[in-house]
Amino acid sequence: ETAVFQTPNYHVTQVGNEVSFNCKQTLGHDTMYWYKQDSKKLLKIMFSYNNKQLIVNETVPRRFSPQSSDKAHLNLRIKSVEPEDSAVYLCASSHRFQNTLYFGAGTRLSVL
Amino acid sequence: QQKVQQSPESLSVPEGGMASLNCTSSDRNFQYFWWYRQHSGEGPKALMSIFSDGDKKEGRFTAHLNKASLHVSLHIRDSQPSDSALYFCAASEKNYNQGKLIFGQGTKLSIKP
Repeated sequence: ETAVFQTPNYHVTQVGNEVSFNCKQTLGHDTMYWYKQDSKKLLKIMFSYNNKQLIVNETVPRRFSPQSSDKAHLNLRIKSVEPEDSAVYLCASSHRFQNTLYFGAGTRLSVL
Repeated sequence: QQKVQQSPESLSVPEGGMASLNCTSSDRNFQYFWWYRQHSGEGPKALMSIFSDGDKKEGRFTAHLNKASLHVSLHIRDSQPSDSALYFCAASEKNYNQGKLIFGQGTKLSIKP
């Protein structure tokens, strides 16, 4: 049963373009995350938000910017994409008193 | 160096057999562990967490944690074809969400009918 919804499922774009990914969770959680999964399936945290406040901001290029309108939504914008940005971007959520993450199905980005 | 190391990289087990996966943390601060499973085309899904020394059993899945060595294992008995997936070990400094969750590189499990 899906409770973390990501759109789009796939996105193909060219180097230099801007892209945005959306994520919504219906679990009532107050913390949301963006993870990047590369071609070797390695999972790395990029950002996390708790009640619309940024609490984790890993060393990611400045062209990546998360945006949170409320605790149920977390979007990711990439300005001027690069070939190395090709990956699956996974959104997740959790409750503040737990560290078990609930993931969406991911958005696969291909940069040509 | 990756803080969470998993072995083996891949594993093939006959249907009905026992699958054993291993994970070690190289950072003594990371003492809280989770196992996640990811089927192709889906996001990872939490299987179980373990925070105390010893065994924790949930159905066909048993996790074992040795805090002294920071080693955690996952054992799947009576393996089913639906268990074929990528299994991740994850570790955190805290058991609530202010702690970052760091994932290992994964073990690909294949169950042969």
